Amino acid sequence: DSGVTQTPKHLITATGQRVTLRCSPRSGDLSVYWYQQSLDQGLQFLIQYYNGEERAKGNILERFSAQQFPDLHSELNLSSLELGDSALYFCASSRAGQRNQPQHFGDGTRLSIL
Amino acid sequence: QQQVKQSPQSLIVQKGGISIINCAYENTAFDYFPWYQQFPGKGPALLIAIRPDVSEKKEGRFTISFNKSAKQFSLHIMDSQPGDSATYFCAANSGNTPLVFGKGTRLSVIA
Repeated sequence: DSGVTQTPKHLITATGQRVTLRCSPRSGDLSVYWYQQSLDQGLQFLIQYYNGEERAKGNILERFSAQQFPDLHSELNLSSLELGDSALYFCASSRAGQRNQPQHFGDGTRLSIL
Repeated sequence: QQQVKQSPQSLIVQKGGISIINCAYENTAFDYFPWYQQFPGKGPALLIAIRPDVSEKKEGRFTISFNKSAKQFSLHIMDSQPGDSATYFCAANSGNTPLVFGKGTRLSVIA
């Protein structure tokens, strides 16, 4: 058990809809990272938050947004969903803001767009 | 420059054998090289990591070998067991760059 909690585990929705994925980091970790895992693209970094502030952006679509709350949990919002957004979405956390530190992953949310 | 190339894509090893997975990177600024193990339905779990100031790091049956001049690093699993059957990802980054993952190696250890 990594200590990173993600909900929900599975999400099935339709094109054009909006969903929110939630992540609680390990106790004491200040950074939260979001990744997308698909069969063709592998694990892709989306965005990092550190202590409530956006720290880095990766391959995140404009239809996607995230935030980190004062209690350090984070939410990833995906809107105007397309079939191609079907993937596993992982959250990871680490102690500090620098990215070359151990990152611990949750078990992900599987998003299926019908 | 941000890519990490991982090989092989899949690997079948006999129980008790040595599993070897290789990765190569381009960005010389990378200074952190972790390996992750992922079982079906689970998230990647940090297995072992190395920084470029050492050429080898061992934790139990898992060893990372690092060749800075060749910009390559590899994972060796000694005495491979059926329970090691999983997908393994190498990754790399620096303090200011995101973690870049290899495409993964599906390892099957057969009895």
